[in-house]
Amino acid sequence: NFMLTQPHSMSESPEKTVTISCTRNSGIIASNFVQWYQQRPGSSPTTVIYENNQRPSGVPDRFSGSIDSSSNSASLTISGLKTEDEADYYCQSYDSTNQVVFGGGTKLTVL
Amino acid sequence: EVQLVQSGAEVKKPGESLKISCKAFGYKFTTYWIGWVRQMPGKGLEWMGIIYPGDSDTRYSPSFQGQVIISADKSRSIAYLQWSSLKASDTAMYFCLRHGYSGRYLTNWFDPWGQGTLVTVSS
Repeated sequence: NFMLTQPHSMSESPEKTVTISCTRNSGIIASNFVQWYQQRPGSSPTTVIYENNQRPSGVPDRFSGSIDSSSNSASLTISGLKTEDEADYYCQSYDSTNQVVFGGGTKLTVL
Repeated sequence: EVQLVQSGAEVKKPGESLKISCKAFGYKFTTYWIGWVRQMPGKGLEWMGIIYPGDSDTRYSPSFQGQVIISADKSRSIAYLQWSSLKASDTAMYFCLRHGYSGRYLTNWFDPWGQGTLVTVSS
C-alpha cells in the first residue's frame, strides 16, 4: 500500500497563512480524492476539505485544498489564521481497492 | 440531524472479549457505508475497515483482518466492532464514521464521525 507523509508539526502567527503538505509515495495523487480532517484536543475529527478542494457547509472559506501532480502531493491552506485553528490535521486518501490511508497528522500551533 | 453515538468507555483485561457499538440517527442506516478508525494514545488515525449495512458487505484493512469483526444490525441501526481476545496493544480510542454519500459507490470521504469509544486493556 502507499503512504501519505505530512510534516509532524507547524507553527504560525494569527492572521498569517499556513500550507500543510501531504505527499503520496506511490501511485498518483490525482487518481483518488484527498480529504482533510481537523481534530481538536479531546474531540473527534471533522472534515475541513473533501474531494481535494470541496468545503463542507459551515467550514470557513479560509480553508482551501489543492492537488499538485508535479510533486504528487495535496495541500491544505489556511489563511487568516485564528487561534481556534490550532489542532491536528490529517490528510486521507485511498487506493484502487478502496483501502483508506491516513497521513501521520500535522500538529498546527497558532501563536 | 445526522449523528453517530458510540457506546461508553470500556476497561478490560487481556484475553477478554469486547463488542462496542455505534448507533446511527437521522438518516437511512442501510444505505451508507460505516467505517471504523483506531487512534492509539497520542498517535494518528488508522483505518480498520468498513461495512455496508444494507447487505453486510464488509472490508478490512490488511492490518486488522482477523483481529476484529465489524458487523451491523439493520433493525436497530447499530454498527459494531468486536474483539474475541483483547491485548494491551488494543488500548486506543475507536471512532465510527459514516461515508459522505449514500449508496455502494465509495469516494472514501467520511463524515460525520462518532464521539469515540475509549478502550483500555490492562491487567
